Amino acid sequence: DGGITQSPKYLFRKEGQNVTLSCEQNLNHDAMYWYRQDPGQGLRLIYYSQIVNDFQKGDIAEGYSVSREKKESFPLTVTSAQKNPTAFYLCASNSLAGSADTQYFGPGTRLTVL
Amino acid sequence: GQQVMQIPQYQHVQEGEDFTTYCNSSTTLSNIQWYKQRPGGHPVFLIQLVKSGEVKKQKRLTFQFGEAKKNSSLHITATQTTDVGTYFCAGPNAGNMLTFGGGTRLMVKP
Repeated sequence: DGGITQSPKYLFRKEGQNVTLSCEQNLNHDAMYWYRQDPGQGLRLIYYSQIVNDFQKGDIAEGYSVSREKKESFPLTVTSAQKNPTAFYLCASNSLAGSADTQYFGPGTRLTVL
Repeated sequence: GQQVMQIPQYQHVQEGEDFTTYCNSSTTLSNIQWYKQRPGGHPVFLIQLVKSGEVKKQKRLTFQFGEAKKNSSLHITATQTTDVGTYFCAGPNAGNMLTFGGGTRLMVKP
């Protein structure tokens, strides 16, 4: 069963803690993306990666970090430097690196900072 | 940089009424994509338009790409409660990344 998986679905953390959100895809896609969505708002790009071991900052990268050690995996770390991390985080991928091809989204992770 | 704007931001309709959302880009687009996000869910790809003036239909949904390839619309005929959700348009920017509009949230009263 192909697709993108994200875990966990819900995540709670205390202020000052780093937390890592998982994103895995078995679609053999080259490019992967992380978006943040606040309630009632659109999608804002955090980071993206077009090939393994390479990634680029998006519009709101401050307070976040990523890695791309494998083609299938693109984990996002929300650091304590992110001032307002409570949000819905969506991972996406597409097949053509550098091309604005259709993006496939994972189910998302809802992060709440207590 | 490129901006993609959608109006309206919210729309309440009575079930059976029609609904239209409009998408406008500050730059000419090579294509326009539409996605639907159900409440609590994730965006799901609906359709891509490529040609100037292109019109595509999916059952009660009609998608249109403007002649200048800077605007697009999604029209839903006779809305149903299953149409509830947020509709996003998205277009490629100069870096060939997708820029998403802010979305139009559709609410349908049964």
